[in-house]
Amino acid sequence: DAGVIQSPRHEVTEMGQEVTLRCKPISGHNSLFWYRQTMMRGLELLIYFNNNVPIDDSGMPEDRFSAKMPNASFSTLKIQPSEPRDSAVYFCASIWGQGTEAFFGQGTRLTVV
Amino acid sequence: KQEVTQIPAALSVPEGENLVLNCSFTDSAIYNLQWFRQDPGKGLTSLLLIQSSQREQTSGRLNASLDKSSGRSTLYIAASQPGDSATYLCAVNLSGGYNKLIFGAGTRLAVHP
Repeated sequence: DAGVIQSPRHEVTEMGQEVTLRCKPISGHNSLFWYRQTMMRGLELLIYFNNNVPIDDSGMPEDRFSAKMPNASFSTLKIQPSEPRDSAVYFCASIWGQGTEAFFGQGTRLTVV
Repeated sequence: KQEVTQIPAALSVPEGENLVLNCSFTDSAIYNLQWFRQDPGKGLTSLLLIQSSQREQTSGRLNASLDKSSGRSTLYIAASQPGDSATYLCAVNLSGGYNKLIFGAGTRLAVHP
């Protein structure tokens, strides 16, 4: 398997624009996580899904953030409208079953100017 | 609320030293604890996974221990090398029906020749 795949790797956008980040988990994995990493706050859990269903989105910072998982092989994280303070690296991770090893994608570096 | 703390925040050592990185967590109701390595500008690479029923795991020069009752884990790196320079993160997977990974802030390690 190619691992967790995220796209794009880098995104630069203007304030106010809509941004969509994409994630393809490892095939067969049933838990998917979105994290945001900044120097100030470290790795923050934004939302996680189990069997495509959102379980906990309490980490989503504002209503401008939304996430979907329409099927077992694809998830999106959308920011609309984007703001400069959203600039960060966004990671996606997946886990098979319960209590097994987590695998991370390479991340999307988002810069909002 | 689960809190994960890593000490020290940063460490600089000469090559060849044996190192101990510490991770503590407040809630012992976990599935497992996982140690990751992150190189600058890169994603997270899994190093070791310790299930809650285990005491330690070893991989090469790395050894991780877990004391669930006291809420502590240590990552031991033997005979450190410059290539070990990276940020090391620990994460606990909370038990309770679903996978949920909570991270510490990491220890930034620099090994100089």
